[in-house]
Amino acid sequence: EDKVVQSPLSLVVHEGDTVTLNCSYEVTNFRSLLWYKQEKKAPTFLFMLTSSGIEKKSGRLSSILDKKELFSILNITATQTGDSAVYLCAVPSNTGKLIFGQGTTLQVKP
Amino acid sequence: DVKVTQSSRYLVKRTGEKVFLECVQDMDHENMFWYRQDPGLGLRLIYFSYDVKMKEKGDIPEGYSVSREKKERFSLILESASTNQTSMYLCASSSLGGGENTQYFGPGTRLTVL
Repeated sequence: EDKVVQSPLSLVVHEGDTVTLNCSYEVTNFRSLLWYKQEKKAPTFLFMLTSSGIEKKSGRLSSILDKKELFSILNITATQTGDSAVYLCAVPSNTGKLIFGQGTTLQVKP
Repeated sequence: DVKVTQSSRYLVKRTGEKVFLECVQDMDHENMFWYRQDPGLGLRLIYFSYDVKMKEKGDIPEGYSVSREKKERFSLILESASTNQTSMYLCASSSLGGGENTQYFGPGTRLTVL
């Protein structure tokens, strides 16, 4: 059965800290992995990863994929209170459905 | 910019009412999805559609039906709303195939069934 598992489920840090969020997967015919950020509304797309070892970067956020070990990490450096959100990892199945992890709830305190 | 819109941000209905949630996307995407999101349960797929008039059951289709008469519009129907269908409903769309499958979400509809 295809599955995506995120850890930790929740995290509390202070502004300026660096955080690493984990996503492991077991999916048939893996092609890509997606990261989303969800605040008090719908998820917004962050990254799509398809190749191992190639870092994707957007400002203070970066992500990398390891297809051998079947996981991805999302790093956020110099965290700000505006980074507080639920971060979702998802992997498409063959049919186009997205298999979501449980999400990591990040709280950044001032 | 991809735009996915949902007909209502907030909706309050009574038990037994028929409820329609509409979703429209403007990117000519083939795939459209309906999820519900509940605390501690994450995003759960209700139904999805990969073409006009095509539909597939997701993980929790019971109590729901869908309609896709036009490519840009995907409707979720609660035939007889129940209190356990109180939830946040999210629509998403994506293009077809390959490794892309990036789904773009609408703003969500928070449905309360009294």
